[in-house]
Amino acid sequence: DQQVKQNSPSLSVQEGRISILNCDYTNSMFDYFLWYKKYPAEGPTFLISISSIKDKNEDGRFTVFLNKSAKHLSLHIVPSQPGDSAVYFCAANTGTASKLTFGTGTRLQVTL
Amino acid sequence: NAGVMQNPRHLVRRRGQEARLRCSPMKGHSHVYWYRQLPEEGLKFMVYLQKENIIDESGMPKERFSAEFPKEGPSILRIQQVVRGDSAAYFCASSPQGYQPQHFGDGTRLSIL
Repeated sequence: DQQVKQNSPSLSVQEGRISILNCDYTNSMFDYFLWYKKYPAEGPTFLISISSIKDKNEDGRFTVFLNKSAKHLSLHIVPSQPGDSAVYFCAANTGTASKLTFGTGTRLQVTL
Repeated sequence: NAGVMQNPRHLVRRRGQEARLRCSPMKGHSHVYWYRQLPEEGLKFMVYLQKENIIDESGMPKERFSAEFPKEGPSILRIQQVVRGDSAAYFCASSPQGYQPQHFGDGTRLSIL
């Protein structure tokens, strides 16, 4: 039962362009969403999060959009840089539980 | 280094042996989480602990797996009588008082021969 889905296993974007990573969820009880970036042989690094009471949160080059009616969120990276090449995981939790439910990840490659 | 520390980074065990994975949370964090990642998959929650208490173990296999977070020392994830299917990357995360975000260590890669 995959409650958080990242349907694109990989994405390639040119340096300087926008990267858009998508995430869908099925559990309507989720009320907090996070994006993590992961390099090989390292642990996930927290990037940005959003509460269900908001529809947008911005931090520098990273913006997360939440569409609750569609149960969809997306991460925008503008402009994309080669150092952004990594696997990006979407995660969610409910207010009553601290555990995170992760998607399967999207591998982003930013080319020169 | 103020981050979440996991050791060992790599652990090789033969079938039937025991594996012990250690996790020291970030300074000031009293909540620890363990996740497992199989190849080409996302991280799957296993267990959530506070000092001396298991808060949520809904993701733990019923047999052979146990976890503790004693009053003193690191959190330990223990796998008894390991099997090939236990081969995975095990990640520990910590947070202050159960709030998000969780901060992750670099994981222990467990290989079963």
